[in-house]
Order: sequence, then structure tokens, then C-alpha cells
Amino acid sequence: KAGVTQTPRYLIKTRGQQVTLSCSPISGHRSVSWYQQTPGQGLQFLFEYFSETQRNKGNFPGRFSGRQFSNSRSEMNVSTLELGDSALYLCASSLVVSTEAFFGQGTRLTVV
Amino acid sequence: TQLLEQSPQFLSIQEGENLTVYCNSSSVFSSLQWYRQEPGEGPVLLVTVVTGGEVKKLKRLTFQFGDARKDSSLHITAAQPGDTGLYLCAGSSRGSSNTGKLIFGQGTTLQVKP
Repeated sequence: KAGVTQTPRYLIKTRGQQVTLSCSPISGHRSVSWYQQTPGQGLQFLFEYFSETQRNKGNFPGRFSGRQFSNSRSEMNVSTLELGDSALYLCASSLVVSTEAFFGQGTRLTVV
Repeated sequence: TQLLEQSPQFLSIQEGENLTVYCNSSSVFSSLQWYRQEPGEGPVLLVTVVTGGEVKKLKRLTFQFGDARKDSSLHITAAQPGDTGLYLCAGSSRGSSNTGKLIFGQGTTLQVKP
């Protein structure tokens, strides 16, 4: 069974630009969560989607948004990038909301 | 607000030593997971414990869920350099109608020196 696939693996963007990250969950998993990980802050929860609906949201500004498609694939978007948005962005899929999470390899975003 | 506190935050030991990592909360969880993460990669699920008092073993790793389902521990026997990484605990509290939260601890960075 294929694991969670995140694309791209690495991304370099300029301040003020926007970025879209993609996540394909494990087949049959309907819940997708997104996390931001930085050395100083650890793993910070962004949001969780189940059946195309956002079920949970973390404490991030409105520049961070996401969506989930009918095939459970998910995208997250960050607009007006700031230097502090540089981080490893992780996607995790679960069978249902807030159960065992299976992570992708992450997308390393660098904002310059 | 539900919180999971892990201790210690950093641990540097010699190969062959034993160690224990703790994960504590004042909240009750329906299940608790342990993950290991290597630099630049996503966390990998090691184990899920569900029942209060449950003990699970994975080779040299022993995981225990507290009787009240508020805390957990990870014990590694005879640590090896391959055990080096970031260990994360996560507590799951599920609500109704597909709601709930997965709360992560801050992580324990383990370095095992040869």
C-alpha cells in the first residue's frame, strides 16, 4: 500500500509570493492533517480535513489555508510569504479524524 | 487546552545505556501514539496504546500507557546509534461526528553515541 505522498519535497520562494503544497493520503484514508515544523516551535498543527470539510484548525493566520478534494487529496496554500514561514510542512493521513497519523516525508519550504 | 509534556527534551547517552522518555498530561486520551522522526523526514508511527495500563514491546523499545490514560512512557534498553532521532508522543481524543484532536508533545531529541 503506497504511503502518504507530498509534493514538492523542496521549495524556495521569495517573500510576498504564495505557495501551494500537495498531499495524497494513503488509499482509503479520509482524514488529512497539516503541520508546520520548525526547530524552535516543534510540530504545530495547522488544520485537519475530513470528507472535504475542515474539522479542526490551529492558531495560524488567515494566510494559511487548505482544502480537500473528493478523492481525499489535499492542498495547503500560504499567501504573502514571510521569512518566518520557512519550515518543514508535514501532511498526515488517518482513517478517520484524530486517530493514528501516517506522515509524508514533508515539503521543505525556504522563504528568502 | 489539552497539553502533552514530554521529558526530557534532550538526551545524549552512550551506546548500550538504557533510557526512559515520559509523556504526561492532565487530560484523558482515548489512545496515545509514539513516533520517531529523523532529520528532514516525516515522523514514523512506532506504536499505538489504547487501554489503560497497556504495555507494548517493539524489540528493545517498551511502551506503557498509564492506568488513567493520561500519561505514557517509552523505555529503550541497550540503546544503539540507530535509535538516534526525535521521539514524539501524541494523544488522541475523539469526539462525536468525526471530530477530535491529536495533540503532540514537544518531542525528545535522543542522541546515542557509539
